[in-house]
Amino acid sequence: DGGITQSPKYLFRKEGQNVTLSCEQNLNHDAMYWYRQDPGQGLRLIYYSQIVNDFQKGDIAEGYSVSREKKESFPLTVTSAQKNPTAFYLCASSIGTGNYNEQFFGPGTRLTVL
Amino acid sequence: QQQVKQSPQSLIVQKGGISIINCAYENTAFDYFPWYQQFPGKGPALLIAIRPDVSEKKEGRFTISFNKSAKQFSLHIMDSQPGDSATYFCAASKNTGNQFYFGTGTSLTVIP
Repeated sequence: DGGITQSPKYLFRKEGQNVTLSCEQNLNHDAMYWYRQDPGQGLRLIYYSQIVNDFQKGDIAEGYSVSREKKESFPLTVTSAQKNPTAFYLCASSIGTGNYNEQFFGPGTRLTVL
Repeated sequence: QQQVKQSPQSLIVQKGGISIINCAYENTAFDYFPWYQQFPGKGPALLIAIRPDVSEKKEGRFTISFNKSAKQFSLHIMDSQPGDSATYFCAASKNTGNQFYFGTGTSLTVIP
């Protein structure tokens, strides 16, 4: 089955710790995205990548970092610098960038900071 | 600043009724307007999308109405069913850009 997998589904972290969220796709898509979803705020773009070894900041990149060493993988690290990291994180991919390309979303990871 | 404003925040409709969700935008450079459907604990999935060269697009029970002059677009769900209960997001983007701007979402509940 083709699709996007995110792991883990639930993640708990203590304050001051960095944590990495996994995102893998086997759709052969060039572009990948990370969004944060908070109640009443919709989806906000953290980072996106158009191609391997390239990525761009979105609207709320502060406190986050990413890498794109392989086409199918786009991990997101939530650093201790992120002031309010508790949220639902969604990874997406599309054939390419450009707005007529549908974005396919993974099932999400719910991060809770204790 | 919210680039796309969505209303209502929540909506309760009787089975068989019409559900209507509205979105408005300011940036006239936007030229693609998708709607996404999200079930609890899942990622959003594309439901239907429209470009501004048409005023309406229909797919089954789902219709997008688009008013370019008013910079508004809406989702109509005809004959709403309990299985339609989900959160719906509108979005907008520019063909020259790489970013989708999402509305804040509408939680739809269809009562049997």
